[in-house]
Formats: sequence, C-alpha cells, structure tokens
Amino acid sequence: AQSVTQLGSHVSVSEGALVLLRCNYSSSVPPYLFWYVQYPNQGLQLLLKYTTGATLVKGINGFEAEFKKSETSFHLTKPSAHMSDAAEYFCAVSAYNQGGKLIFGQGTELSVKP
Amino acid sequence: DTGVSQNPRHKITKRGQNVTFRCDPISEHNRLYWYRQTLGQGPEFLTYFQNEAQLEKSRLLSDRFSAERPKGSFSTLEIQRTEQGDSAMYLCASSLDRARYQETQYFGPGTRLLVL
Repeated sequence: AQSVTQLGSHVSVSEGALVLLRCNYSSSVPPYLFWYVQYPNQGLQLLLKYTTGATLVKGINGFEAEFKKSETSFHLTKPSAHMSDAAEYFCAVSAYNQGGKLIFGQGTELSVKP
Repeated sequence: DTGVSQNPRHKITKRGQNVTFRCDPISEHNRLYWYRQTLGQGPEFLTYFQNEAQLEKSRLLSDRFSAERPKGSFSTLEIQRTEQGDSAMYLCASSLDRARYQETQYFGPGTRLLVL
C-alpha cells in the first residue's frame, strides 16, 4: 500500500522568501513521485516528477524537489516566492505495478504575503 | 487547445436524481482516470481505463457509480440515485502509457457536483 503525508495544511511566506513544502511517502515498491499545483476552481497542473535517475528534479516556475529514499521524503522548494505562487499544492505517489493511479496527500495551501 | 476537457463544469441536482459527466481526453492518450476531490482534501482515485477496458475500480466506487469508455475515446461517469455525500469535484485525467515508466497524467478542469 502507498500513502502520502504533507506536513502543514497551510504555509505562509513573504514575497521573495524561500518556499518549502514538505512531503513524506510510504511505498512497498520503488515509488514515482509528483508535485501538482491547483489554482481555485481549476484542475491540477504538474509541477515536476521523479521516476528514475537524478534525485534532484527541476520543474516549472522555478520549483524543484529532491527525492531522499533514506528519509522517504520529496520536499518541494523554490528559492524566492512570487505572489502568483499562491495556490494549493499536492504531493502524489504511484508505482509501476499500480496501473499509474496516483495517491495524493491532503494538500498544502500556500499563501504569499506582499 | 487540445487538453483534457470535462462537461458540464458545474452540476446542481436534487438527491435521488441521476447525473452523468463526460470527459474527453487528449486524443492520443490510451489511459483515462477518474478522481474525486472533496473540499479541503486531495483527489482520491476512483477508476481507470486502458483504451476501452476498465482495469481497476476503487472501493470508493459504490454500485451507484458506473463508468464507461466506449471505443477507447471519451468516457462517462454516471451516478445513480445521488446522495448529498456525492457532492464533490470530479476530475478526469489522461496519459499515454508506454509501459516503461509513469507517464504524466494531464488533468481536466473538473466537474463540480452539488447534491441538494
């Protein structure tokens, strides 16, 4: 069975500050890991994903995440927050033998203060 | 725009009525997924198709729910005898499975259902 825990349902940062959104996963097989962003009343947009290879993954809009197997973590970071980053962020896990279905965390709402 | 589309975007219905949602995936994508998202929660997997075959259904998908994907193109999700607990955002996603590794799922805008 797979699961995802996102630490902190709400995170608030100032514009220009570091963004750190935490994600820990549980998986009995090698995981594939994803971060999605959701703006109000919209679907989900992929920010980045880890499948195999390099553990530091770069995504769109300046976001990146590092897969740390020993810590079962996949935290999302961005060096400098922008007002347009305010949204809901979801971490998800899947596995090669699970038909591609995504198991999502509960989400973290990011607020950016001017 | 050739992204995933869903119709209707919003649906209000009375308890006990039947509703049907449609999802049109990206044209060359062979996999199609349905998820349900309630307020303040992450999406939960409901079911998925590989071409026209429905390969997995979640325990969340009670016998009041049925999904089809005729001819492996668009998909419909029907809810019979709706209950207030069915109120949620229903999300559709599609991907191109190349049987190598996890391909990206592209999500539609969702259908928001409110059962009165």
